[in-house]
Amino acid sequence: QQPVQSPQAVILREGEDAVINCSSSKALYSVHWYRQKHGEAPVFLMILLKGGEQKGHDKISASFNEKKQQSSLYLTASQLSYSGTYFCGTEMGGGKLIFGQGTELSVKP
Amino acid sequence: GAGVSQSPRYKVAKRGQDVALRCDPISGHVSLFWYQQALGQGPEFLTYFQNEAQLDKSGLPSDRFFAERPEGSVSTLKIQRTQQEDSAVYLCASSHQLDRGNGLAGGEQAPDTQYFGPGTRLTVL
Repeated sequence: QQPVQSPQAVILREGEDAVINCSSSKALYSVHWYRQKHGEAPVFLMILLKGGEQKGHDKISASFNEKKQQSSLYLTASQLSYSGTYFCGTEMGGGKLIFGQGTELSVKP
Repeated sequence: GAGVSQSPRYKVAKRGQDVALRCDPISGHVSLFWYQQALGQGPEFLTYFQNEAQLDKSGLPSDRFFAERPEGSVSTLKIQRTQQEDSAVYLCASSHQLDRGNGLAGGEQAPDTQYFGPGTRLTVL
């Protein structure tokens, strides 16, 4: 039931791009993306609804393919502040989120 | 405005002790969620409240775990007779959203953002 995230970890140089994938074996109602820095609360990035939605937020965007039960998070022209662990949270209705195991992103100067 | 706050931020307990973890949600938020996060893992759902009603407690790992939200605002997660495997960060999140049941038509609403608190790191010795 837990969504699978890939890759587990990625190291980037400042300015490089990255894609983080989230796949579920269950039909999804929505996908929520969060970034968490060590010792801090998860910080909300965006929500995507079923229906093939795409969203963008500054240089971070995401897509949701309902049929494939997959979502992808795109980080372009990465900045040092993008470092952290990214989690997708999948919702099958009812509000509770089932989180993936996380993708650790490190952006180096 | 103030975000979700949790206290204490850190708690060390001896095995067998009872602990109580507090969550103050964002004012006016109807829904409140508790998650448990083990080191290096994603948060795992424990329980969910809509106002004072506990609508889902399917994630509570044992009957030693108990949560309440008596006045529909502040919530307390209580763990009785703590065990070493209870060591984790306990996260609280709140959202404005009302329950949508299982997402079927006849009450569907857009999903709402869950705002997380800083968590309580529980260490059981």
